[in-house]
Amino acid sequence: DAGVIQSPRHEVTEMGQEVTLRCKPISGHNSLFWYRQTMMRGLELLIYFNNNVPIDDSGMPEDRFSAKMPNASFSTLKIQPSEPRDSAVYFCASSPDSQPQHFGDGTRLSIL
Amino acid sequence: GNSVTQMEGPVTLSEEAFLTINCTYTATGYPSLFWYVQYPGEGLQLLLKATKADDKGSNKGFEATYRKETTSFHLEKGSVQVSDSAVYFCALSDLYNTDKLIFGTGTRLQVFP
Repeated sequence: DAGVIQSPRHEVTEMGQEVTLRCKPISGHNSLFWYRQTMMRGLELLIYFNNNVPIDDSGMPEDRFSAKMPNASFSTLKIQPSEPRDSAVYFCASSPDSQPQHFGDGTRLSIL
Repeated sequence: GNSVTQMEGPVTLSEEAFLTINCTYTATGYPSLFWYVQYPGEGLQLLLKATKADDKGSNKGFEATYRKETTSFHLEKGSVQVSDSAVYFCALSDLYNTDKLIFGTGTRLQVFP
């Protein structure tokens, strides 16, 4: 079975540009999570969806970040405008009810 | 709320050495406990889990026992291999939303031949 699929794997862009990260969860999983990983702050949960509805976005750092899940098979995380401090590895994970999360391989984002 | 603390790394071992990575937690109620592993350039993978006190999770030679009396979930392996070199994360389920996980800061393991 295909795992969680994220795209792109790498993104390099200049500050001020809009960045869109994409995630396809595992089919049948009804929860989806976006994380950010940096050396300084470790692994941070940004937002969590259940049945396509945002449940907890308390980890979203500021208004420049937004996430959507228009259907059960797709989610986006958008940063507009991007800043150098947004450079990190962004992970998407999915899970069925009350089961362990499955992670994608991440998007390595560099903002110049 | 629930929280988890794990030992800082890096942990450096020779091949076939015994491994312990400490993890302790603070929780209300009875959370599920997990160990995840992250290999270079990859996402986190579930290594093992335990859902109630005294449960032992095991996988690929790794073990961890849910100790309620010491609020611990230490990861052990009797004989590590070079291929075990990775970052290991301890995690527990959130108090109010069990779908959410609270992760530790991660412990880097380096195994040398």
